[in-house]
Amino acid sequence: DAMVIQNPRYQVTQFGKPVTLSCSQTLNHNVMYWYQQKSSQAPKLLFHYYDKDFNNEADTPDNFQSRRPNTSFCFLDIRSPGLGDAAMYLCATQDYKGTDTQYFGPGTRLTVL
Amino acid sequence: GQQVMQIPQYQHVQEGEDFTTYCNSSTTLSNIQWYKQRPGGHPVFLIQLVKSGEVKKQKRLTFQFGEAKKNSSLHITATQTTDVGTYFCAGQQGGKLIFGQGTELSVKP
Repeated sequence: DAMVIQNPRYQVTQFGKPVTLSCSQTLNHNVMYWYQQKSSQAPKLLFHYYDKDFNNEADTPDNFQSRRPNTSFCFLDIRSPGLGDAAMYLCATQDYKGTDTQYFGPGTRLTVL
Repeated sequence: GQQVMQIPQYQHVQEGEDFTTYCNSSTTLSNIQWYKQRPGGHPVFLIQLVKSGEVKKQKRLTFQFGEAKKNSSLHITATQTTDVGTYFCAGQQGGKLIFGQGTELSVKP
């Protein structure tokens, strides 16, 4: 089935140790999003790609970077994770020429020790 | 910027009771979407409303979009334990979704 896949599902890292989260999609959607979601809060948009065009949210810390090498894959790099970066990270895709529906992956739960 | 407010934050009901969550935007929305997130899960798309005054139903769920396209509601009739989760509304702005804070629904059997 076409879907949005995130790896790993659970990631444990140490304070300050770089970590990369992965998202892949088989939907061939041109838009990919990264959200951060903390407990009992709404997803918070970090950035998104429209094709290869990168769009950063104004309040996304410089500590967060992203790469999209091709249509199918998108990566979230956290250069120096802090304790406050522990959260669920959600990837979502959207077909910009279709409906506005976003399709979310299962998320990666990041723990920072 | 656009803000989407959602109330209540939490709702505890007895199984069989009805449930409603309300969403209000500071600006007119081109459309509004509703998502459900089960505990430990990810947001799953439920429905999109586009037209002023639109009402859509999915089994026991009724979604409404206000005449001014600035508010919306989700009503669940006769809740079941499978309805447990957090319900988010989200307004579309410039290719981005602006999420409400969500309403966490718990259902007591």
